[in-house]
Amino acid sequence: LAKTTQPISMDSYEGQEVNITCSHNNIATNDYITWYQQFPSQGPRFIIQGYKTKVTNEVASLFIPADRKSSTLSLPRVSLSDTAVYYCLVGVPISSGSARQLTFGSGTQLTVLP
Amino acid sequence: KAGVTQTPRYLIKTRGQQVTLSCSPISGHRSVSWYQQTPGQGLQFLFEYFSETQRNKGNFPGRFSGRQFSNSRSEMNVSTLELGDSALYLCASSLKGQGIYEQYFGPGTRLTVT
Repeated sequence: LAKTTQPISMDSYEGQEVNITCSHNNIATNDYITWYQQFPSQGPRFIIQGYKTKVTNEVASLFIPADRKSSTLSLPRVSLSDTAVYYCLVGVPISSGSARQLTFGSGTQLTVLP
Repeated sequence: KAGVTQTPRYLIKTRGQQVTLSCSPISGHRSVSWYQQTPGQGLQFLFEYFSETQRNKGNFPGRFSGRQFSNSRSEMNVSTLELGDSALYLCASSLKGQGIYEQYFGPGTRLTVT
């Protein structure tokens, strides 16, 4: 499994765009990048997943450069309710026969200030 | 569709006792995984069940066990509780055919061992 490195914490203000970068220098050819969000005393929630270039959904955007050694989760116009821990996970998402074991790193604590 | 439910939400036990936690996956989901989350160790994989069979097990002592029933509901049991077992225990379910990173977590059971 590719090791990931994220900032331990970040602060932002309401209405700003937040970019959280994850470094994964040893990413393998078949690995995907997935981001989860976790609010206090709740289970993690799947946010977005991508392989290369850019992926966007109703919650966030994921930017992956050509070398795929890093990725950036972008949250547009954050609100106080976006305060959470954000985890970057890297691995092969194929399901058939694969163990469904997720490996979470330390994550990034995002605090949105008023 | 109802999400993953876990019962009880909070539990206080004494050292040496045993505890059973329950998880009901999303309807139709047959894969159930369990995780332990502590401030010091983060999220750690315990085990995964699919169709009543344990498919994968994390690096935890034999005091931690689990099972899955024919309706996909799962239970985990911790015997001879230790203070270090105090944690948030999370259950996640997923659908066969979905990528392994698309897991749906429940709210967790907060276990306190005194």
